[in-house]
Amino acid sequence: QQPVQSPQAVILREGEDAVINCSSSKALYSVHWYRQKHGEAPVFLMILLKGGEQKGHEKISASFNEKKQQSSLYLTASQLSYSGTYFCGTESTGGGADGLTFGKGTHLIIQP
Amino acid sequence: DAGVIQSPRHEVTEMGQEVTLRCKPISGHNSLFWYRQTMMRGLELLIYFNNNVPIDDSGMPEDRFSAKMPNASFSTLKIQPSEPRDSAVYFCASSDGTAWGYTFGSGTRLTVV
Repeated sequence: QQPVQSPQAVILREGEDAVINCSSSKALYSVHWYRQKHGEAPVFLMILLKGGEQKGHEKISASFNEKKQQSSLYLTASQLSYSGTYFCGTESTGGGADGLTFGKGTHLIIQP
Repeated sequence: DAGVIQSPRHEVTEMGQEVTLRCKPISGHNSLFWYRQTMMRGLELLIYFNNNVPIDDSGMPEDRFSAKMPNASFSTLKIQPSEPRDSAVYFCASSDGTAWGYTFGSGTRLTVV
């Protein structure tokens, strides 16, 4: 089953923060986050494994609540380059035995 | 590494024709995935392979779709006969099952007229 992402779209001014949520009805082994710019392929941002860890990558970080089967992506002090569509992808079994099931995406627009 | 390589980048074909999409995964990656992306349905997993063996093809929409992976460095997705509703961007992705996620190819934009 497809994870549900919210919000569907966000418009921000440069420097503002954003949170994108991803929720699944199934028990999850991992959550992946990807960013896709228009006309390009999705690009891997980070992976979170069950255990509730939080990961960070410069000003982009994420958390994973295994019990609630939810993950959130945090973008702080957003930059123009952060614009794009963000997808979460979920996996129920580890080790690559599953293919990722992606949410429908969150469109993020950063304005100067 | 050149990344995941897909060909062709664009394909325009007439309804009823056979279409073959090609993918070369990253060397050393043992998992390969075919996705289809449309505005309406988003990114849909069609089929994936582990060590060249098809694991789950439940996402393949119809018998008109077939996929093969004859060796670790090549996979094809074939549509025969093609229909206008098959128009989409088809992505191939590969993974080594570690914490580095999937690497996607640039995609093939298929238009069936």
